[in-house]
Amino acid sequence: DVKVTQSSRYLVKRTGEKVFLECVQDMDHENMFWYRQDPGLGLRLIYFSYDVKMKEKGDIPEGYSVSREKKERFSLILESASTNQTSMYLCASSTNRDRDYGYTFGSGTRLTVV
Amino acid sequence: SQQGEEDPQALSIQEGENATMNCSYKTSINNLQWYRQNSGRGLVHLILIRSNEREKHSGRLRVTLDTSKKSSSLLITASRAADTASYFCATPPPGSNYQLIWGAGTKLIIKP
Repeated sequence: DVKVTQSSRYLVKRTGEKVFLECVQDMDHENMFWYRQDPGLGLRLIYFSYDVKMKEKGDIPEGYSVSREKKERFSLILESASTNQTSMYLCASSTNRDRDYGYTFGSGTRLTVV
Repeated sequence: SQQGEEDPQALSIQEGENATMNCSYKTSINNLQWYRQNSGRGLVHLILIRSNEREKHSGRLRVTLDTSKKSSSLLITASRAADTASYFCATPPPGSNYQLIWGAGTKLIIKP
């Protein structure tokens, strides 16, 4: 069964900490995405990557960075966590080989910054 | 940022009834996708309708697309308790091969 795996379902971090959210996909997908989801604000794209070592800013990149050293892994980094980064973080992947397939999402990481 | 509009925002129906939710955009619609999200989980891709299609079926799902009105609808027939979830539409923005513009979502509750 193909899947996208996010390393943690729930995470609690302190303000100012450096936080790493990991995402791994086993489908050989070219494209990977990080979203955050907040009530009333919908899904907002933070960063995406269409190839290894490539990254593009989404709608809300401030306070975040990403790393894609291998095709299957896309990491989201909160350089200095703040309380306004408390949110649900969703990783997704897609392939250009079959656009009908849509995005495959991970189960999400609910991050709380205290 | 860009966002599609979905209505209703919330819908509560009895098990066995049909549920219809609608999605519209300000930009042109290319291939439009629908996703389901169970509470606290990731999204699951349900169906994609191409811009040259008007209607598509998959099991109990029926999707329509009107590119002139920049809108789509998702019909779930004979609803079940397990259909309780939020439903999102998404379409690529013009000129993009990678990104999607997401709808705000419809929260569907099926009452037993």
